[in-house]
Amino acid sequence: QKEVEQDPGPLSVPEGAIVSLNCTYSNSAFQYFMWYRQYSRKGPELLMYTYSSGNKEDGRFTAQVDKSSKYISLFIRDSQPSDSATYLCAMSGGNNNDMRFGAGTRLTVKP
Amino acid sequence: EAQVTQNPRYLITVTGKKLTVTCSQNMNHEYMSWYRQDPGLGLRQIYYSMNVEVTDKGDVPEGYKVSRKEKRNFPLILESPSPNQTSLYFCASRRDRGTTGELFFGEGSRLTVL
Repeated sequence: QKEVEQDPGPLSVPEGAIVSLNCTYSNSAFQYFMWYRQYSRKGPELLMYTYSSGNKEDGRFTAQVDKSSKYISLFIRDSQPSDSATYLCAMSGGNNNDMRFGAGTRLTVKP
Repeated sequence: EAQVTQNPRYLITVTGKKLTVTCSQNMNHEYMSWYRQDPGLGLRQIYYSMNVEVTDKGDVPEGYKVSRKEKRNFPLILESPSPNQTSLYFCASRRDRGTTGELFFGEGSRLTVL
């Protein structure tokens, strides 16, 4: 079993839809949870950063962490074609330098 | 502009021909790392460095070498490349040595080993 599981998709939605992206993990020591966005032929860029459980909102993006279920989510409201990218979850905590990435979900938002 | 710069961006080589992928950051970051990205496997760490002259293995270090002689540079060396090292490689840096904090990635180096 992988330490971080993420459905690779691909996921295709119409413009304006609400998108839900998810990851599960097995290491209960993780405390820092991140979402990176990766456009085609580019490196990943940090999108959202959350510590421990709870919600964090930034514009159209909401990150949720449920440590009891070892489950994190990223919601995108009013999705736009410019949101088309691969979204990677990442998490760390416990062992020093122990950051783990999900496989990434490829999202396409169609006009 | 704050950035991580990798070169080359694309490379096709043959089995056994030594190659080096350079990485440089201009943010005075302590921590630097190399990852490879393969379909379905996500980003896997190859090597990392928490300071000059300090390097350590990540999850998939076999077949790779690194060095950190200067704070800004962290080259990845493939002494004898093999086809299973065909992948997309990313260099990343972070301000601090710990596991928290944003990772800044380069734009990637796509390597094909024939």
